[in-house]
Amino acid sequence: DVKVTQSSRYLVKRTGEKVFLECVQDMDHENMFWYRQDPGLGLRLIYFSYDVKMKEKGDIPEGYSVSREKKERFSLILESASTNQTSMYLCASSLPSLAGGLTYNEQFFGPGTRLTVL
Amino acid sequence: GNSVTQMEGPVTLSEEAFLTINCTYTATGYPSLFWYVQYPGEGLQLLLKATKADDKGSNKGFEATYRKETTSFHLEKGSVQVSDSAVYFCALTTSGRDDKIIFGKGTRLHILP
Repeated sequence: DVKVTQSSRYLVKRTGEKVFLECVQDMDHENMFWYRQDPGLGLRLIYFSYDVKMKEKGDIPEGYSVSREKKERFSLILESASTNQTSMYLCASSLPSLAGGLTYNEQFFGPGTRLTVL
Repeated sequence: GNSVTQMEGPVTLSEEAFLTINCTYTATGYPSLFWYVQYPGEGLQLLLKATKADDKGSNKGFEATYRKETTSFHLEKGSVQVSDSAVYFCALTTSGRDDKIIFGKGTRLHILP
């Protein structure tokens, strides 16, 4: 059974702390994504990665960074957590859109990490 | 740019009622269209998809037809169950190197027994 796992389901941190959110996928996918989900705003893309050591900014990268040292692992880093980063964080992975002749690229999601910054 | 608009929720229905959740899109080129579902406490999972005009995606009794002329991809189910209570997201992606998916804001569905 294919899986995307996230290191924590719930996390509570203090303002100013450095926070690491880890995501691991076992599907050998090239693409990995980090989103945040907030009521009334849906999913917003923070960062994504096409390959190891590659990263691209999404729609809301400010205050975040990412690391992808291995294909299966994609980490989201909050350098100095703030209260407005309290949110649900979702990781996803997918094959590249042209792999195997596919014209679409289904994303597989982890269960999410609910982060509260006090 | 590309965007997805779906009806705001929450939508509350009785069990066995007919469901429609509206979704319209704006896109350049020829997008693929998706419905994702998020059950309580879980991440998103793909419910159904359609990759070209007039395609019908279906799964678990849900259906949606890719209508290019109206740029729509409405989700329907003939008889909903309590277990269908979830948040539903309409989404699109365009083929090519840009592998991002554009999501709508989601529609929360409550089914009453």
